[in-house]
Amino acid sequence: EVQLVESGGGLVQPGRSMKLSCAASGFTFNNYDMAWVCQAPKKGLEWVATISYDGSSTYYRDSVKGRFTISRDNAKSTLYLQMDSLRSEDTATYYCARLDYSSSFAYWGQGTLVTVSS
Amino acid sequence: DIVLTQSPVLAVSLGQRATISCRASQSVSISSINLMHWYQQKPGQQPKLLIYRASNLASGIPARFSGSGSGTDFTLTIDPVQADDIAAYYCQQSRESPHTFGAGTKLELK
Repeated sequence: EVQLVESGGGLVQPGRSMKLSCAASGFTFNNYDMAWVCQAPKKGLEWVATISYDGSSTYYRDSVKGRFTISRDNAKSTLYLQMDSLRSEDTATYYCARLDYSSSFAYWGQGTLVTVSS
Repeated sequence: DIVLTQSPVLAVSLGQRATISCRASQSVSISSINLMHWYQQKPGQQPKLLIYRASNLASGIPARFSGSGSGTDFTLTIDPVQADDIAAYYCQQSRESPHTFGAGTKLELK
């Protein structure tokens, strides 16, 4: 069974940093591209970043370019999102998702809430 | 960016058919491949993939869900609607980056 378990969320002050993790199991992690998708409170879904199966390529939405870094450790089957210079508008639940060959987000974690506030 | 437009709310009766639409600001198809996907999200839960590439049922999803469309116009159909289907439904395109989502359609009971 595919499982994605996020951790690392919480309350952080504006301008500070936070690192999210996503532990994957139940599939061969290094065969799949992975992504982070966020959802602000009571709002819709927004793609944040994607990383290729081997970590060689990364893609970001414009609003996080230069502030967020997606990475992975295939030996540990873990996905990361390093978030720097956080802003109040980054407040959201962050979901880790596995991309399938159809290019859809086939599996999702339960999410971790990041609140940026002083 | 490709903008996906969905109606915010759809009210249906149990046992009836629900048709949820998604219109893209430009084509999300490449040749015969329609890069549009549908997700269901219940309150307090993560999204779940229902339909990939416009018309393919994801693993474990009941056959009362179906998808259709191409180019810029896509439809998710639930027939018949059951109580467990009351949720928000999102379309999402992977034709080009950023991979945008629609704002979601909340399915409500009449």
